[in-house]
Amino acid sequence: NAGVMQNPRHLVRRRGQEARLRCSPMKGHSHVYWYRQLPEEGLKFMVYLQKENIIDESGMPKERFSAEFPKEGPSILRIQQVVRGDSAAYFCASSPPVGGYTFGSGTRLTVV
Amino acid sequence: GQQVMQIPQYQHVQEGEDFTTYCNSSTTLSNIQWYKQRPGGHPVFLIQLVKSGEVKKQKRLTFQFGEAKKNSSLHITATQTTDVGTYFCADYNDYKLSFGAGTTVTVRA
Repeated sequence: NAGVMQNPRHLVRRRGQEARLRCSPMKGHSHVYWYRQLPEEGLKFMVYLQKENIIDESGMPKERFSAEFPKEGPSILRIQQVVRGDSAAYFCASSPPVGGYTFGSGTRLTVV
Repeated sequence: GQQVMQIPQYQHVQEGEDFTTYCNSSTTLSNIQWYKQRPGGHPVFLIQLVKSGEVKKQKRLTFQFGEAKKNSSLHITATQTTDVGTYFCADYNDYKLSFGAGTTVTVRA
């Protein structure tokens, strides 16, 4: 029973490029969450999705960031025109309809 | 969201000693979850506390939830090198986790 799979583990982008982060939830989990962790800080909620629906995106920056969880395939967190301040670890977590979180290994994004 | 404060930010412990990390909030917490994150790793769920005054133990780890549900603590006895990492508490309300900034633990052998 594979855990939450995130890829890539490390991503380097130049300023102005696009970053695409992928997350495949655990089998049987229909809820996906994205969190961002800046160096030496706790994780901050970004967005909560169910299949084909964004339930809560209150933690997402208003511009350049978007997320989706299509009917088929992984959830995608997309960051357009990246800036240095976007450098962080991005963690995805999934859960069943009732139950606790399982976090993926994260994607470490570095913007140069 | 809920503001959760953790102290201390850093904890340097001699192997074999005990230590405690604290989690505080000015408002009532819903449920408290504790996570451990190793350097370069991801948060791993340790425990959830739900009831006022609740105490749970996992081997050398003891977790407490305050009577007023405004604070929580994690106490580790006989610290080992495997205890190195950052310990986070988080308020779990509906589906959302509001994390504290964590206590980063280093161990002197």
